Amino acid sequence: EAQVTQNPRYLITVTGKKLTVTCSQNMNHEYMSWYRQDPGLGLRQIYYSMNVEVTDKGDVPEGYKVSRKEKRNFPLILESPSPNQTSLYFCASSSSTGGTEAFFGQGTRLTVV
Amino acid sequence: AQSVTQPDIHITVSEGASLELRCNYSYGATPYLFWYVQSPGQGLQLLLKYFSGDTLVQGIKGFEAEFKRSQSSFNLRKPSVHWSDAAEYFCAVADRNDYKLSFGAGTTVTVRA
Repeated sequence: EAQVTQNPRYLITVTGKKLTVTCSQNMNHEYMSWYRQDPGLGLRQIYYSMNVEVTDKGDVPEGYKVSRKEKRNFPLILESPSPNQTSLYFCASSSSTGGTEAFFGQGTRLTVV
Repeated sequence: AQSVTQPDIHITVSEGASLELRCNYSYGATPYLFWYVQSPGQGLQLLLKYFSGDTLVQGIKGFEAEFKRSQSSFNLRKPSVHWSDAAEYFCAVADRNDYKLSFGAGTTVTVRA
């Protein structure tokens, strides 16, 4: 089954404690991205990757890092989380520019206290 | 830069009644257009997409959308809603030469019995 898998689904952490949210896709997609979803703001892109070792900033990259060492994996790293990073995070993947469907993970609900 | 506006934050509709969700976009050319649905606690699922050709697009779950270039709109419709249609709906646009999806803020649909 084609899917994007995120872990964990829920995470509560304290300010400043580094964390990683994993994302893996089994569709051999080139393009992967991270979004955060906040009430009234929709989904905003954090980072994206067009292929292995190729990453770039999205609209709201501050406080986040990513890496793309393998095609299937695209982890999101928060080196020093802060309360304003409390949000719902989605990983997505797609196979080519613009016109193909983006597949989304189930989401990770992060709370930073 | 492309942008998407969903003017209605929340819509309440009776079961069996028709539903229309509005979406306006700002873009220099004709983008790729999408509607996604997010059920509570779930990721995003693609309802339908418009690339070119026929401006009335059929999707899953009985939804359809109409692209109107003159109005820069891509409104979603369903003739008769079911209780299971209660969800949040997102309109999104993508550049034809880019992977990035830009989302509207979303419209929450409540279905009353």
